[in-house]
Amino acid sequence: LAKTTQPISMDSYEGQEVNITCSHNNIATNDYITWYQQFPSQGPRFIIQGYKTKVTNEVASLFIPADRKSSTLSLPRVSLSDTAVYYCLVGEGNAGKSTFGDGTTLTVKP
Amino acid sequence: EPEVTQTPSHQVTQMGQEVILRCVPISNHLYFYWYRQILGQKVEFLVSFYNNEISEKSEIFDDQFSVERPDGSNFTLKIRSTKLEDSAMYFCASSTGEDEQFFGPGTRLTVL
Repeated sequence: LAKTTQPISMDSYEGQEVNITCSHNNIATNDYITWYQQFPSQGPRFIIQGYKTKVTNEVASLFIPADRKSSTLSLPRVSLSDTAVYYCLVGEGNAGKSTFGDGTTLTVKP
Repeated sequence: EPEVTQTPSHQVTQMGQEVILRCVPISNHLYFYWYRQILGQKVEFLVSFYNNEISEKSEIFDDQFSVERPDGSNFTLKIRSTKLEDSAMYFCASSTGEDEQFFGPGTRLTVL
């Protein structure tokens, strides 16, 4: 499984756009990129998944460059409730295990 | 919206005792998983289960651990003889295999 590297922490203010970048230099051809969110004492919650280019859903966008060696999760107009740990995962789809890295702790300030 | 449920929410046990953590996956899901998260640390994979057998397990999932799907709805994790270092949040997850994994709220296991 490809190893991922993310910033340990990020701070932002309400209403700002937040971009969290994840490096995965040895991503394999069959690997997808998945992002999860976790609040304290809760299970991880799926945010978005992509393979290449750009994916957008109702909560976030995922940008993946052509070489797929990195990806950027974009959260538009964050609120205080977006304060959480965000995990980038790389692996073959959703049937196999999910390997979590250390994640990025995002703190949104008023 | 369907969700994964776990019971109990908090389990306190004495070292050396057996515990069974219970999960009810989403009804049409075929893949089931257990993860654990020691306080302040990252989420760690324990085991995956498909078609009534273990499909993958980690180094953590040693002979003290077992999983079972005793009926059509429950998925259990048994720890035969708990150790202090087994204290953690244990998360169950399920998936169709095509979409994301859905995680339950977790069971906090405290071993005294």
